[in-house]
Amino acid sequence: KAGVTQTPRYLIKTRGQQVTLSCSPISGHRSVSWYQQTPGQGLQFLFEYFSETQRNKGNFPGRFSGRQFSNSRSEMNVSTLELGDSALYLCASSPGDGHSGNTIYFGEGSWLTVV
Amino acid sequence: DAKTTQPPSMDCAEGRAANLPCNHSTISGNEYVYWYRQIHSQGPQYIIHGLKNNETNEMASLIITEDRKSSTLILPHATLRDTAVYYCIVRGYQAGTALIFGKGTTLSVSS
Repeated sequence: KAGVTQTPRYLIKTRGQQVTLSCSPISGHRSVSWYQQTPGQGLQFLFEYFSETQRNKGNFPGRFSGRQFSNSRSEMNVSTLELGDSALYLCASSPGDGHSGNTIYFGEGSWLTVV
Repeated sequence: DAKTTQPPSMDCAEGRAANLPCNHSTISGNEYVYWYRQIHSQGPQYIIHGLKNNETNEMASLIITEDRKSSTLILPHATLRDTAVYYCIVRGYQAGTALIFGKGTTLSVSS
């Protein structure tokens, strides 16, 4: 069974640009969540989508947005990039229904460098 | 803020058991304890989770105290490849509840 797939794995952007990251969850999983990891702040929750609807959101500015498609694939977008947005962006998937006893699996992440 | 407290670092000799402690004194009755690990530059890897009973899988064992205020992750025979940051996470009951990561424990396994 394929795991969580994230693309691209590495990218470099310039301040002020925008970026879109993609995530394909494990087959059958309907929940996709996104996390940001930086050396200073550690791993932080961005948002979670379930059945194409945002179900939960972390404390990030509106420049960070996401969406989920009918096939459960998800994208996240960061607009007007700042140097501080340089981070490892992680996608995680889970079945999403029922209670929190469902296991959440992470992808390998997308490394974003803003210059 | 993370609901768990872990030691910042631990050392373990290869082949010995690694016992990683975690305090979660404010855990509520329907919250799960999850363990993940992260090897440098990779995504977090799921290890194990439990509610109140001890759990075991092919990777590790999870021992949860009877009052559920603390737990221990046991890697029975640590190898060099187990060197990683280990995160203990308490996750809320509601579907969609996020994982709140703390700073974790850096486990160093040496030969």
